[in-house]
Order: sequence, then structure tokens, then C-alpha cells
Amino acid sequence: DGGITQSPKYLFRKEGQNVTLSCEQNLNHDAMYWYRQDPGQGLRLIYYSQIVNDFQKGDIAEGYSVSREKKESFPLTVTSAQKNPTAFYLCASTIDRGTPLHFGNGTRLTVT
Amino acid sequence: AQRVTQPEKLLSVFKGAPVELKCNYSYSGSPELFWYVQYSRQRLQLLLRHISRESIKGFTADLNKGETSFHLKKPFAQEEDSAMYYCALRDLNTGFQKLVFGTGTRLLVSP
Repeated sequence: DGGITQSPKYLFRKEGQNVTLSCEQNLNHDAMYWYRQDPGQGLRLIYYSQIVNDFQKGDIAEGYSVSREKKESFPLTVTSAQKNPTAFYLCASTIDRGTPLHFGNGTRLTVT
Repeated sequence: AQRVTQPEKLLSVFKGAPVELKCNYSYSGSPELFWYVQYSRQRLQLLLRHISRESIKGFTADLNKGETSFHLKKPFAQEEDSAMYYCALRDLNTGFQKLVFGTGTRLLVSP
């Protein structure tokens, strides 16, 4: 069954700790994306990667880091520098620029 | 800069009533417009895109470049249409699929 898997579904961390959110896809998609979803603000792009070993900052990259060592995987690290990390994080992928995004189920991160 | 505006946070209608979810955009180039939907406990998924010019689940949306709008319409709402709807814009001139999303409208269809 092809798709995008985000884990865990819920994540709790103490302030000051880095945390890594997992995103894995078996769709053979080249491009992968991380979005942050906040109430009343829609989805905002954090980072994206068009091919392996390459990624670019989105609109709100500060306090986040990513890696793209494998085509299937695009983990997102929320660092202690992110001022307001509590949010719902969505990973997405697409095979090329002409096709719609496929989204994962999301990870809800709560930092206290 | 690209911007997508969805003025209504919540739209509440009765079953069988017509529905129109508003979406306006600001962009100087050639945009591609989408509607994504998120049903309860399901992942965000594509509902329709303007270049397809198709009706999905009874919904249609027409791109009006003069009014820079891409409103989503359905003549007779059903309870299963209750969901969160996001309008999104993509710059056709970029080399990747970066989407700019609106803030979303929650549609609630009551029996």
C-alpha cells in the first residue's frame, strides 16, 4: 500500500530539547515538503527537497533543519531555536511539478 | 508576493442548501489554483484543480482572473461534505510545486 507515513502521531517534548519528526514515502516521489499547520493560519512551508541530497528553505525555516539522504525519507528536526514549536506538522510529496501533493497524516508536536 | 485569502473561517449550512466557499488570490503571474479538503480523521487531499475543469463530489470551481477568485461551489450540500477546505495557489513559473495556502474554511452541513 503506497503512501506517506509520518511518525509519531503525537509527540511531547520539554522546551530546550531538539526533536525529530519522521516522514517516509514509498511512492517513489522525487520532491518532498514539510508544512506547519496552525489554527487560523493555514499551511506554511518550512522546507522542501526536490531531489536527494538537496533541500531549500521555505517561508518559515528558522529554527528547523532537514536532511534528504534517501529518496524515501525527509526527516524534520525542530530545534530549541524555534520560538513557537507547538503545532501540527504535515509532510507531503509529489513526483513532479505537474502533479498534486500527497500528504501524510501529520504529527502533532507539543512543547512545554 | 502570492497570497490566498479565504474570508470565512466557518460556513454553516443545512443539508440540501447551496454552498459557496470563497477564495481570492493575489498574484501577478500565471497561477494554478487548487482546492484541498481534510475530512475528520483523514489526511489532507486534493479535491480539484482549475486546469482539470472537472466536478468532484458535486463540487466545481471556476477560475475568474478578472476578479482573481476561485470560489468552490456545490448546489446541494450533503452532511458528508462537512470538512476543512483549503484553497491553494501554485506559481506555474517555478521549477517545483510550492503551494501557498489560504487559512481554510470549515464547512459544517447540518441535517
